[in-house]
Amino acid sequence: DAKTTQPPSMDCAEGRAANLPCNHSTISGNEYVYWYRQIHSQGPQYIIHGLKNNETNEMASLIITEDRKSSTLILPHATLRDTAVYYCIVRVWGGSEKLVFGKGTKLTVNP
Amino acid sequence: EAEVAQSPRYKITEKSQAVAFWCDPISGHATLYWYRQILGQGPELLVQFQDESVVDDSQLPKDRFSAERLKGVDSTLKIQPAELGDSAMYLCASSLSETSGGAPSYNEQFFGPGTRLTVL
Repeated sequence: DAKTTQPPSMDCAEGRAANLPCNHSTISGNEYVYWYRQIHSQGPQYIIHGLKNNETNEMASLIITEDRKSSTLILPHATLRDTAVYYCIVRVWGGSEKLVFGKGTKLTVNP
Repeated sequence: EAEVAQSPRYKITEKSQAVAFWCDPISGHATLYWYRQILGQGPELLVQFQDESVVDDSQLPKDRFSAERLKGVDSTLKIQPAELGDSAMYLCASSLSETSGGAPSYNEQFFGPGTRLTVL
């Protein structure tokens, strides 16, 4: 079973920031938070990951609370192409532990 | 940009028939994964290879599913016989390796476009 809880759907206006929440209250000290997204009819795509510090890359920012029990993925200026299902996953760094996907959040960016 | 290739993109078959899917990972990627994604659900890992060896096949229905990666490069997933409940998207992914120089490291998984299977 997935170790994360996400809202099933969200809407966002084009050009505005999209903030996608994720709860992972049972996260262990050696588990990282990963985000993937899946655009319709495509395979999932890696976005970002982090342990406890905030992370930013060219795609998004990841904000992890101090107690690490929740996080938020931020798309600073959402475009129509960001419409997708976003998956939040917790996983141990390294080793052979698999990615366990939940149902994710369906983000719809509206014009 | 290198991509994971999968074929066919779509497959329609009748129940009790055999089907096979092929995956060619990104060159140099030692780890290969097969996932199954039922409509409305997230992908579920079926089998994971490290080079030609199976690392995890705990969720693979071994009575009808088989997977191989004989030379540690491309891979085939087979279903025989197919059942109605096997209708799903079958995704292949690859990553550089679970370890790098002996130390654990994370290399993102790159997914292919998937094969959409419909069993009638």
